[in-house]
Amino acid sequence: EVQLVESGGGLVQPGGSLRLSCAASGFTFSSYAMSWVRQAPGKGLEWVSAITGSGGSTYYADSVKGRFTISRDNSKNTLYLQMNSLRAEDTALYYCAKGQPISYFDYWGQGTLVTVSS
Amino acid sequence: EIVMTQSPATLSVSPGERATLSCRASQSVSSNLAWYQQKPGQAPRLLIYGASTRATGIPARFSGSGSGTEFTLTISSLQSEDFAVYYCQQNNKWPLTFGGGTKVEIK
Repeated sequence: EVQLVESGGGLVQPGGSLRLSCAASGFTFSSYAMSWVRQAPGKGLEWVSAITGSGGSTYYADSVKGRFTISRDNSKNTLYLQMNSLRAEDTALYYCAKGQPISYFDYWGQGTLVTVSS
Repeated sequence: EIVMTQSPATLSVSPGERATLSCRASQSVSSNLAWYQQKPGQAPRLLIYGASTRATGIPARFSGSGSGTEFTLTISSLQSEDFAVYYCQQNNKWPLTFGGGTKVEIK
């Protein structure tokens, strides 16, 4: 059974940093691209970033480019999102999602909440 | 970026009735279109990919159609568990983009 479990969310001040993690199990992690998708409170879904299975290629939404860094450790079956220079508009539930590059997402975690506020 | 527009924003339907949801892309996405269902407090669930292929375990009452810029999700006979928000997503070009969602509520 595929499982994706996010962690690392919390309350952070504007300008601060946070690192999210997503522990994956139930599939060959290194064979699949992974993404982060976020959802602001009461709003729709926004794709944030993606990384290929090998980690060799990464992709970002313009809204986070230069501030967020996606990475993965295939030996630990774990996906990461390093978030720097956080803004109030980054407040959201962050989901990790499994899917090939430029594809749909067939499995989602339950999300971790990031709140950016002073 | 490709803008995805869903209509209507809210659809009021009685149980057992048919629901038709629309999704329009600002430029052609070929058949690279997926649909998701999201219930309150839950993560999205993949329903349809490739515009018309049901994901594993999705009931046959859910069907998708369309290509290019116009897409439709049809729920043939609404069950109580189908009342939720539905999102379309294009996976033809970076950045991946979602529609704003259609809420299907009980009439």
